[in-house]
Amino acid sequence: QAVVTQVPSFSVSPGGTITLTCALSSGSVSNAHYPSWYQQTPGQAPRTIIYNTNIRSSGVPDRFSGSILGNKAALTITGAQADDERDYYCVLYIGSGISVFGGGTKLTVL
Amino acid sequence: QVQLQQWGAGLLKSSETLSLTCAVSGGSFSGYYCSWIRQSPGKGLEWIGEINRSGSTNYNPALKSRVTISVDTSKNQFFLRMSSVTAADTAVYFCARASVVTPHFDLWGRGTRVTVSS
Repeated sequence: QAVVTQVPSFSVSPGGTITLTCALSSGSVSNAHYPSWYQQTPGQAPRTIIYNTNIRSSGVPDRFSGSILGNKAALTITGAQADDERDYYCVLYIGSGISVFGGGTKLTVL
Repeated sequence: QVQLQQWGAGLLKSSETLSLTCAVSGGSFSGYYCSWIRQSPGKGLEWIGEINRSGSTNYNPALKSRVTISVDTSKNQFFLRMSSVTAADTAVYFCARASVVTPHFDLWGRGTRVTVSS
């Protein structure tokens, strides 16, 4: 089965810009995988922030953006804030009704 | 406002069957899939499977042999059953609504913690 890979952890300075990526073991990520991104505070349900590669979910600040960078899906946070210090998960749709989560990235803002 | 409320037994013994319910309130899930997702302690999220109102299902191949997802449209509820659980199935189980048009999870339940003891 396809494996979706995220860098386990990342640090960013307050006000800085960071790009988290999401890779697919079987090849390049494209819009056809409908990349989506979720933010999670430990112990709580995830919150949807980006879907269909680059569409922000309702209420999500525009400092969050999604894209395809090279062969990966990407989530960029511009002007990181302390409140962005959460876990971030990507999901790729690999066809036949199957979705696969990445392992998640723990973002530290310091 | 559509909400997902979930419940089920939180403590199981090895080899028992996990059974969870997710109820859709404030609307229907017509046009969506309803999914189950789990998160083991300190780990990431894992998609278990999904079902639509017609009863069409998709499952994670790694769990398919033990998982059954079903629906009761009259009650706007859908269900997860996982047989022969082990300690590895200890997790928080989430139900979520999944868009069909652009596959993604747009609404989440609060999660149900399930612990399997040996």
